Amino acid sequence: DTGVSQDPRHKITKRGQNVTFRCDPISEHNRLYWYRQTLGQGPEFLTYFQNEAQLEKSRLLSDRFSAERPKGSFSTLEIQRTEQGDSAMYLCASSAGQQGIVQYFGPGTRLTVL
Amino acid sequence: GQQVMQIPQYQHVQEEEDFTTYCNSSTTLSNIQWYKQRPGGHPVFLIQLVKSGEVKKQKRLTFQFGEAKKNSSLHITATQTTDVGTYFCAGPGGGQGGKLIFGQGTELSVKP
Repeated sequence: DTGVSQDPRHKITKRGQNVTFRCDPISEHNRLYWYRQTLGQGPEFLTYFQNEAQLEKSRLLSDRFSAERPKGSFSTLEIQRTEQGDSAMYLCASSAGQQGIVQYFGPGTRLTVL
Repeated sequence: GQQVMQIPQYQHVQEEEDFTTYCNSSTTLSNIQWYKQRPGGHPVFLIQLVKSGEVKKQKRLTFQFGEAKKNSSLHITATQTTDVGTYFCAGPGGGQGGKLIFGQGTELSVKP
């Protein structure tokens, strides 16, 4: 399967703990996006990479959130000192080339903060 | 900031009935995309519309982009249980990266 993969699929953690999620995009895609989705809402943009450069971050992305894409391939999203409000589905998407191109989403990581 | 609104939020139909969801943007869009998310799944791309007034069909699904490029609709003819899921429209969010601004989605349930 050459689609977008994410790991883990589910994460349950206690408030105050740090968590890290991984995304492996489609191999030839240079653009990678992180979104967050809560129940009954559409995905909300968090951040975007073109190759290894993080080019845009949403105001939703507090200082507790950090994302990397060190070699322009896989990406990690870390949340430090998790809060109950961080509970959500974290979706990764990738695309190739120019703006307006289709984004392919991974299965997501569902985070539950107790 | 830019907003994309969708109505209705929920739609319950009997199998074989038609279904329509509407999408409105606060700004003019260069294009609009539609995604479908099955229960427990992730968004899957359906189609992209680019031209003013464009109409595209995929079997029983008809997608339309408004003349002013600020609204769009998805119409499903004779719904099937396989159509169940949440349908999202999404427009470009500006900036250089191609981020998408999604509507809240319309959740479709189909009663056999």
